[in-house]
Amino acid sequence: DAKTTQPNSMESNEEEPVHLPCNHSTISGTDYIHWYRQLPSQGPEYVIHGLTSNVNNRMASLAIAEDRKSSTLILHRATLRDAAVYYCILRDSTQGGSEKLVFGKGTKLTVNP
Amino acid sequence: SAVISQKPSRDICQRGTSLTIQCQVDSQVTMMFWYRQQPGQSLTLIATANQGSEATYESGFVIDKFPISRPNLTFSTLTVSNMSPEDSSIYLCSVEVQGGAAYEQYFGPGTRLTVT
Repeated sequence: DAKTTQPNSMESNEEEPVHLPCNHSTISGTDYIHWYRQLPSQGPEYVIHGLTSNVNNRMASLAIAEDRKSSTLILHRATLRDAAVYYCILRDSTQGGSEKLVFGKGTKLTVNP
Repeated sequence: SAVISQKPSRDICQRGTSLTIQCQVDSQVTMMFWYRQQPGQSLTLIATANQGSEATYESGFVIDKFPISRPNLTFSTLTVSNMSPEDSSIYLCSVEVQGGAAYEQYFGPGTRLTVT
């Protein structure tokens, strides 16, 4: 059911930037792009979301392609604590929050010291 | 945001028995969700629980196996009934909070269930 495609795994070195890609070629005009991550032995945590414009928060940045068919989650300086599975999820903004989150397999990020 | 706690954090149960998992939120929320995460897998939604109405189950999950209660806006329980080893998973609850124009989900730490 997942409408996004992500690489299974990626590696990064500590203190280097990380760019996690997500393809969503069938995105509709009302879909928000959400990112969640799941640290080992924890529940998922919200990272960031966006609709059309690039977004920044204290955790990450979200770069959205002009045609919205792809996006990239950017961690500016990876730390060991950022090692997690990152999920890119589309949610229809017209559903008022009632649309379920559909988790794909996500990208497992390994951060090397 | 929302802070969610779950009890128990883990349990080992015998097949044929039932376990009730509790989920407590630090604020009133309309929608709560229950997920299952089997070993090495992603999360799968079991059901959506709104206060004052019956839970809505996803395909492959039934009320007899996973009865849910939602007595108020800060609490919910999920029971795993007549357990088998295939029910060994992490069970997570989550809540929905409006963040600007979109909604964000916040998850509990999960309950790790092992059925022997």
